[in-house]
Parts: sequence; C-alpha cells; structure tokens
Amino acid sequence: EAQVTQNPRYLITVTGKKLTVTCSQNMNHEYMSWYRQDPGLGLRQIYYSMNVEVTDKGDVPEGYKVSRKEKRNFPLILESPSPNQTSLYFCASSSGLAGWMVNYNEQFFGPGTRLTVL
Amino acid sequence: AQSVTQLDSQVPVFEEAPVELRCNYSSSVSVYLFWYVQYPNQGLQLLLKYLSGSTLVKGINGFEAEFNKSQTSFHLRKPSVHISDTAEYFCAVSEYNQGGKLIFGQGTELSVKP
Repeated sequence: EAQVTQNPRYLITVTGKKLTVTCSQNMNHEYMSWYRQDPGLGLRQIYYSMNVEVTDKGDVPEGYKVSRKEKRNFPLILESPSPNQTSLYFCASSSGLAGWMVNYNEQFFGPGTRLTVL
Repeated sequence: AQSVTQLDSQVPVFEEAPVELRCNYSSSVSVYLFWYVQYPNQGLQLLLKYLSGSTLVKGINGFEAEFNKSQTSFHLRKPSVHISDTAEYFCAVSEYNQGGKLIFGQGTELSVKP
C-alpha cells in the first residue's frame, strides 16, 4: 500500500531533550515536506526537500533540523525542544517539481505526530 | 509575499443544503491553488486543484471550486452536503517560481447536521 508513515504517533517529552520524528514514504517520491498544525493557524511549512541532499526552509524553520540522506526518509529533528513546539506535525511527499520551479503535484500526508513538550 | 485567508473558521450547515467555503489569496505572481480536506484524526487529502485553463475545477466527492483572478479567490462549493462531509477544509497556494513552498489557510470546519 502506498503510504507515508510517521513515528512516533504520540510523544510527550520535556524541554531540552533532543528528539527525532521519523518520516518514510514508499512511493519513490522526490519531494518531501514537514508541517506543523496549530489551532487557528492552519498548517505551516517547516522544511521541505526537493530531492536527496537538497533541503530548504519553509515558513517556520526555527528550532528544527532536517536531513535527507535517502530518498524515502526525511526525519525531523528537534535539538532542544521547547513548549512552543507543542503541536501536531505532518510529513508529506509528492512526485517533485512538476512545473517551472514550482511543485503543483498532489502531496500525500502521513497520519500525524502529536508532540507535547512540557 | 503570498498569503491565504479562509474567511470562515466554522460553517454549520444542514444535510442536503448547499455550502460554500471561501478562500482568498494574495500574490504578485501566478499561483497554483489547492483545496485539501482533513477528516477527524487523519492526515490531509487533496480535493481538487487549479493549475490553468478552465476556472471551474471539479474534484472528488462532488466538490468544485472556481478560480477568480480579479478577486483573487478560490471558493469551494458543493450543491448538497452529506453528514460524511463533516471535516476541516484547507485552501493552499503554491507560487510560481517558489519551488516547494506551499502556504495553507487557517482552515474551515464544516459541520453537517442531520
């Protein structure tokens, strides 16, 4: 089954304790992205990757790191989590840039990771 | 800079009634527009998208949207809703020449009552 998987699905942690949320897709997609969803704010893009070893900042990258060493995986790293990073996180993938310097392909979303930082 | 505004945070409607969810965007260049739906406790899935051509776009589950360039709007409509349409709906825009960036609106909660 074609899907995007995220782990863990739920995580409660404390301020300053490094954590990684994994994201994996089995559709051979070039493009992957991370979003956070907060009430009243919709989804905001954290980082995206147009291919292996190519990453770029979205609108809210502060406090996050990513890496794209393999096509299928795109982990989100919080080196020193803080309470304002408590949120619902989604990973998404798509088949890459389809137009001229723009991605207008459908993005496939994972099930989400609910993170609480105390 | 591009931005997206969904004009209604909540829309309650009775079953079989028509519904319109409003979305306005701002951008100085050409854009591609999307509507995604999020059912409770799930990720998002694509309803429809506008890339070019006909301004009326049809999507899944009987939804359609109309792109209006002069009013910078992309409103979503359905002539007759079902209980199963209860979900949160997100409008999103991708700007020409901006690579992989995608900007979402704040979301509209559609609540369909029997």
